This record gives sequence, C-alpha cells and structure tokens, in this order.
Amino acid sequence: SQKIEQNSEALNIQEGKTATLTCNYTNYSPAYLQWYRQDPGRGPVFLLLIRENEKEKRKERLKVTFDTTLKQSLFHITASQPADSATYLCARPVSGNTPLVFGKGTRLSVIA
Amino acid sequence: ETGVTQSPTHLIKTRGQQVTLRCSSQSGHNTVSWYQQALGQGPQFIFQYYREEENGRGNFPPRFSGLQFPNYSSELNVNALELDDSALYLCASSPKTGRSNTEAFFGQGTRLTVV
Repeated sequence: SQKIEQNSEALNIQEGKTATLTCNYTNYSPAYLQWYRQDPGRGPVFLLLIRENEKEKRKERLKVTFDTTLKQSLFHITASQPADSATYLCARPVSGNTPLVFGKGTRLSVIA
Repeated sequence: ETGVTQSPTHLIKTRGQQVTLRCSSQSGHNTVSWYQQALGQGPQFIFQYYREEENGRGNFPPRFSGLQFPNYSSELNVNALELDDSALYLCASSPKTGRSNTEAFFGQGTRLTVV
C-alpha cells in the first residue's frame, strides 16, 4: 500500500529561523505531492502541490522540494513567524487524482 | 474560507446509535471525499463520490455509507456507532477537471464524540 511518513511529530524553532519538515513515501513515486496546513479543530488548508518532474516549488516564504531518488519531499518555511505555528500535513494520491493518503503531520511551534 | 460547509460542527452520540453528517461542496465542484481524522493522526480516506456515484472507498466497514445529491452536496451515514468512531470527520470537494493534479478544499469538519 502507498504510505506517507512524516518522521517528526513536533518541531520547535525560534522566530526568524527556517523550519524544515520532512515527508517520506514508499513504493512508486506519486505523480505529485501536496502539503496542507491544519489548525486545531479545523480542516486542512491547501498550501502547495509539487509534481514529480518538478524539483522545487515556491510560494512566498514557502518552498517545497521533491526528490524521487530519496523518495522524499522537504517543506521549508523561511523567516518563520509565531503565526506559522500549526500542523503541516503531507499527502499523496492513491492513484491518479484524489483520494489522498495523508501522513500523521508535523506540529510546528514557532517561538517568539 | 474554502466554501465547503459541514454540519453539524459538533455532535455527541451514544454507542449503537446512527448518525448523519452533511457537506455542501464548493460551487462548481462535482467530487466529494470524506475523511476520518482521529486525534493526533492524519485524515484517513473513507470514500469518494463523483456525480452521485461512489468512486472509491477506503478501508472502512459497510456501516459507513454515503450519498451525493444532484447539487453535489453529500451525506455520510454511520450505523451502529462504536467508541472508536469518535473523530473529526472531514469533507473535501474538488473539481473533476480531467487534470491529474487538483487540490482538495476541506470543510471545517464535524467533531463526533461517541459515548
């Protein structure tokens, strides 16, 4: 079965630093990976999608990479702020389009 | 806000009872997926509906069933509730545009507690 592993359950960093979150997948490379942000008691909010033929994708202070050799995606938040504190979820499609298989998420805390 | 609305936001039920959760998808979206999220876990796929037909199902027993209506809104029904069914239930809509990559738009979820 297709699995997504986010190895760090929690990550604490100081405001202004770069947060780096890791997502590893098993079996064949998915056509794409998605990253979501989830605040407590709320639904996930889409952040970025990266296709397997893209090495890197950026959106404002966010950057995502996709390494098919390592079977890994890295999610970076530069110049982190306390408002970035949330759980970040990585997801891959089961096949083709949706549905998605999600990792457990990494809870990021940015300390002022 | 994503435009996906779920009701109710919170619900408490007794073991053995039945529950219906509702979801209105974002305008223009004809695909709805339901997920179950236990505390501290990622969302787990329950099933997906596309144009009123079930279009994929995760590893959930038959007492989890659903419907999609002509306006693309959807219901999730759970019979014979068990304590382990306590979770946040998420609805996500997406456009079935034929492209292979589409983001999912999630509602705020329904927090179900089974006692």
